[in-house]
Amino acid sequence: DTGVSQDPRHKITKRGQNVTFRCDPISEHNRLYWYRQTLGQGPEFLTYFQNEAQLEKSRLLSDRFSAERPKGSFSTLEIQRTEQGDSAMYLCASSPGQVNTEAFFGQGTRLTVV
Amino acid sequence: AQSVTQLGSHVSVSEGALVLLRCNYSSSVPPYLFWYVQYPNQGLQLLLKYTTGATLVKGINGFEAEFKKSETSFHLTKPSAHMSDAAEYFCAVTLSIKAAGNKLTFGGGTRVLVKP
Repeated sequence: DTGVSQDPRHKITKRGQNVTFRCDPISEHNRLYWYRQTLGQGPEFLTYFQNEAQLEKSRLLSDRFSAERPKGSFSTLEIQRTEQGDSAMYLCASSPGQVNTEAFFGQGTRLTVV
Repeated sequence: AQSVTQLGSHVSVSEGALVLLRCNYSSSVPPYLFWYVQYPNQGLQLLLKYTTGATLVKGINGFEAEFKKSETSFHLTKPSAHMSDAAEYFCAVTLSIKAAGNKLTFGGGTRVLVKP
């Protein structure tokens, strides 16, 4: 069990560019979550998957954001036409999927939009 | 909808002194409560959680927290601070219903500074 893995750890991009982040959850974890954390704040929920189905999206997830989890394994989060306000740490977490179980977090991808 | 309030964005304690981090929540149904710790440029690590049963829960690194329903609180304590406790701490809540999907609502965090 290698834990939740996120790639890349850091990404610097120019405003208007598209970026894609990857998350590999703990194997056999059914649920996968994306959170966004801005400086000095707690993480905010973006979206989550149960296997390959995206079950909930926060209103924070604008039309420029899209997440996928093909085949219920790894997940990608894409941001199109990045804006400076998108600069944040993007955290991925996974859990076994039963009620009452904890989520295990990856180390995050820090995005800086210049 | 649920929410979490952490009183005090920064706390400074001396090494060996008591650490007390405050967390209050609001929830429409019985909550599950968590404390996470985050070191610089790292993800979140679970310290402890309350789901059901005993209201005093013990976690890793000597931390414990007590769920007080009447006060809607879940304060985190450690009797004696260590330099390695310097980090940011987040209280979080999720709803105890399947439909909630275990998604977490976090407080704003409390950064702990430990003075030698």
